[in-house]
Amino acid sequence: EVQLVESGGDLVQPGGSLRLSCAASGFTFSTYTMNWVRQAPGKGLEWISYISAGSSTLKYADSVKGRFTISRDNAKNSLYLQMSSLRAEDTAVYYCARGQCSGGTCYPDYWGQGTLVTVSS
Amino acid sequence: DVQMTQSPSSLSASVGDRVTITCRASQGISSYLAWFQQKPGKAPKSLIYAASSLQSGVPSKFSGSGSGTDFTLTISSLQPEDFATYYCQQYNSYPWTFGQGTKVEIK
Repeated sequence: EVQLVESGGDLVQPGGSLRLSCAASGFTFSTYTMNWVRQAPGKGLEWISYISAGSSTLKYADSVKGRFTISRDNAKNSLYLQMSSLRAEDTAVYYCARGQCSGGTCYPDYWGQGTLVTVSS
Repeated sequence: DVQMTQSPSSLSASVGDRVTITCRASQGISSYLAWFQQKPGKAPKSLIYAASSLQSGVPSKFSGSGSGTDFTLTISSLQPEDFATYYCQQYNSYPWTFGQGTKVEIK
């Protein structure tokens, strides 16, 4: 059974930093692309970052570019999101999502349960 | 970026009703469209990918159609467990973008 379990969410002050983790199990993590998607309270879904299976390709939404860094450790079956210079508008539930790829395109087929990041003084 | 627009934003329906939700892309995305169901406090669940392919384990009452810019999700006979918010998402190009969601409520 595919499982994705996020952790690391917390209350942090504006300008602060936080590192989110996503532990994967039930599939060969090293062969899948991975993504982070967030959802602000009461709002819709926003994709924020992508990482290829071997970490050679990284992508970011403009809203987080230069502030967030995605990474993975295939030996530990784990995905990470390092967040810095946090703003109030970064307050959201953060989901990791597995990318199911075919013909060069990928869609998110499995999602974790999410971890809440609150940015407030 | 590709903008995704869903309609309606919300709807009220009764158990047993047939429900259709529409999603329009601001530019052609071929068939690179997915649909998700989200219940309060839960993660999104994949229903449909490639516009019309049913995700494994998803009941056949869910169906999708369309290509290019116009897409639909249909629930053939609404059941109590189907009351939720539904999102479309394009994956033709990054950044992935989602529709604003359609909340399906009990009439």
